[in-house]
Amino acid sequence: GAGVSQSPSNKVTEKGKDVELRCDPISGHTALYWYRQSLGQGLEFLIYFQGNSAPDKSGLPSDRFSAERTGGSVSTLTIQRTQQEDSAVYLCASSISNKNIQYFGAGTRLSVL
Amino acid sequence: SQQGEEDPQALSIQEGENATMNCSYKTSINNLQWYRQNSGRGLVHLILIRSNEREKHSGRLRVTLDTSKKSSSLLITASRAADTASYFCATDAGLNQFYFGTGTSLTVIP
Repeated sequence: GAGVSQSPSNKVTEKGKDVELRCDPISGHTALYWYRQSLGQGLEFLIYFQGNSAPDKSGLPSDRFSAERTGGSVSTLTIQRTQQEDSAVYLCASSISNKNIQYFGAGTRLSVL
Repeated sequence: SQQGEEDPQALSIQEGENATMNCSYKTSINNLQWYRQNSGRGLVHLILIRSNEREKHSGRLRVTLDTSKKSSSLLITASRAADTASYFCATDAGLNQFYFGTGTSLTVIP
């Protein structure tokens, strides 16, 4: 594709429900990052995938958060039992390899009521 | 935290003026990148400067890096209303993570 695609663009959910956020990286990019951006804040690193290596999950804020990347391409970020403090914009980025320029998707705005 | 900090948090200038924003960080880095974010959109890469470089130009952008002071500056010359956005620095400290600052919100008044 032309760029990083994220879906849905907006998600409204009730507290306690599970949500899945999807990221389609640029074809051929081996590195994929998930970030969280709260209103008016910077980006908080969540998780990093590089090729077939074990992901770096050091940024996940709790065990309610998990992510997978199937076939080295599409990634899904899952938040279980959502809480109001999970409300934020979740951004995905990919790069051709580690430490290179990151290309961002437009993000998923999650609102937990 | 290794997170970069941008300064100022917000900046408002007239079209045609220059805009300068600064980034400070805490640890040694391999490179530093500047990104731009328009409201409600993802981030767009502007420029990358490596730790052994002191200055880099790209169009109306000029970035400097002072590793002794652990700081970088982004200068936008002859600003335009379309430059209105938030600007973030991101540091690569040799781990898997990039550390993004909290951003400078730039408003260019036509």
